Amino acid sequence: EVQLVESGGGLVQPGGSLRLSCAASGFTFSSHWMHWVRQAPGKGPVWVSRINSDGSSTIYADSVKGRFTISRDNAKNTLYLQMNSLRAEDTAVYYCARDPLNWGATLENWGQGTLVTVSS
Amino acid sequence: DIQMTQSTSSLSASVGDRVTITCRASQSISNYLNWYQQKPGKAPKLLIYAASSLQSGVPSRFSGSGSGTDFTLTISSLQPEDFATYYCQQSYSTPPTFGGGTKVEIK
Repeated sequence: EVQLVESGGGLVQPGGSLRLSCAASGFTFSSHWMHWVRQAPGKGPVWVSRINSDGSSTIYADSVKGRFTISRDNAKNTLYLQMNSLRAEDTAVYYCARDPLNWGATLENWGQGTLVTVSS
Repeated sequence: DIQMTQSTSSLSASVGDRVTITCRASQSISNYLNWYQQKPGKAPKLLIYAASSLQSGVPSRFSGSGSGTDFTLTISSLQPEDFATYYCQQSYSTPPTFGGGTKVEIK
């Protein structure tokens, strides 16, 4: 069974940093593209970033480009999102998701999410 | 960016009803369209991919259709567990974008 478990969320002041983790199990992690998607309270999901299977290619939403960095450790079956220069508008539940097609963004499996709150 | 529009933000329906949810893309996306169901406090769940392919484990009362710019998710006979919010999402180009959602409520 595919399992994705996010951690690392919490309360942070504007301008601060957080690193989210997503522990993966139940599938060959190193074979799949992975994504981060966020959802602000009461709003719809918004795609944040994607990394390819070996970590050599990454892409970001314009709203986080230059502030967030996606990475992965295939030996540890773990996906990361380093978030710097956080703003109030980054407040959201952050989900990691597995892409079975390794193309585009078909998000077959999602974690339970981790809440990031940016507030003073 | 491709804009995805779900013109109905909420609808009320009864158990057993046939429900249709629509989604429109701002430009042609071929059949690169996915549908998700989300219940409160839970992550979205993939229902339909490539516009009309049923994800494994999803009940056959769910179906999807459309191509180009106009898409439809149909629930043939609404069940109590189907009351939720439904989102479309295009996977044609980066960034992938979601519709605003359609909340299906109990009449």
